[in-house]
Amino acid sequence: NAGVTQTPKFQVLKTGQSMTLQCAQDMNHNSMYWYRQDPGMGLRLIYYSASEGTTDKGEVPNGYNVSRLNKREFSLRLESAAPSQTSVYFCASTTPPRGGSTGELFFGEGSRLTVL
Amino acid sequence: KQEVTQIPAALSVPEGENLVLNCSFTDSAIYNLQWFRQDPGKGLTSLLLIQSSQREQTSGRLNASLDKSSGRSTLYIAASQPGDSATYLCAVDEGAGSYQLTFGKGTKLSVIP
Repeated sequence: NAGVTQTPKFQVLKTGQSMTLQCAQDMNHNSMYWYRQDPGMGLRLIYYSASEGTTDKGEVPNGYNVSRLNKREFSLRLESAAPSQTSVYFCASTTPPRGGSTGELFFGEGSRLTVL
Repeated sequence: KQEVTQIPAALSVPEGENLVLNCSFTDSAIYNLQWFRQDPGKGLTSLLLIQSSQREQTSGRLNASLDKSSGRSTLYIAASQPGDSATYLCAVDEGAGSYQLTFGKGTKLSVIP
C-alpha cells in the first residue's frame, strides 16, 4: 500500500547544480501538488497539476519547473539550485470532489534538500 | 489574502488529559477545513476534514469543530496518550477551483507519560 512515493529522500547539492525530485502515486488521483516546508514559514505551494496534462503555479514557483508525466507521476525540477531552496519538499495527491474544493490530501514522506 | 494562525506553537500536557488545539482564519468564505498530523521527519496525515456546512467531525478520540462565522476551528483530543505527540496543522480550502490550501504553522504537542 505505497500511497505517495517520493525520491530521493535526501539530497545535497552545490549552488548552480540541477536536479529533479520524483513523485508517484498509486491511488488513481487526478490532482497532484508540490509543497515546500520551511521552519517558521509553514507549507507553501510551489506548483500543482489539477489533472493529467495541466500544471499551474502556486504561491512560490520561482526557480522551479514541473512535469506531469502521466496520471501517476509529477516531477519537480530545480534548474540552478540556490541556498534559498534548501527545504523539505512534499508531494501530495487527491481527487477533488465536485464543487471546486481540493478534497482530502495524501502526502509523501518528503525529500530533504540542502543546497550549499 | 487568507491567513491561518495556530496558537500555541507548542503545548506540553501529562498523559490522560483532554486538550484543545486552536486554529483561526481571517476569511470566513471557506469550502472546508482539514486537520493534519505530522510526525518528526515524516509527511502529513489527514485526520479530519470538515465541510463548511458541517459543525463538527469525529474520529475515535478526535473531534474537530468549525465555526465559520467567527473564523475558528478546534481539535479536541480526549484522554491524550504519548503516541499523540506530533505537530498538528490545520489548513483551509477556499474552493472555487483554487486547488490551494492555506496552512497554519502548526502546534507541536508533547504528551508526557
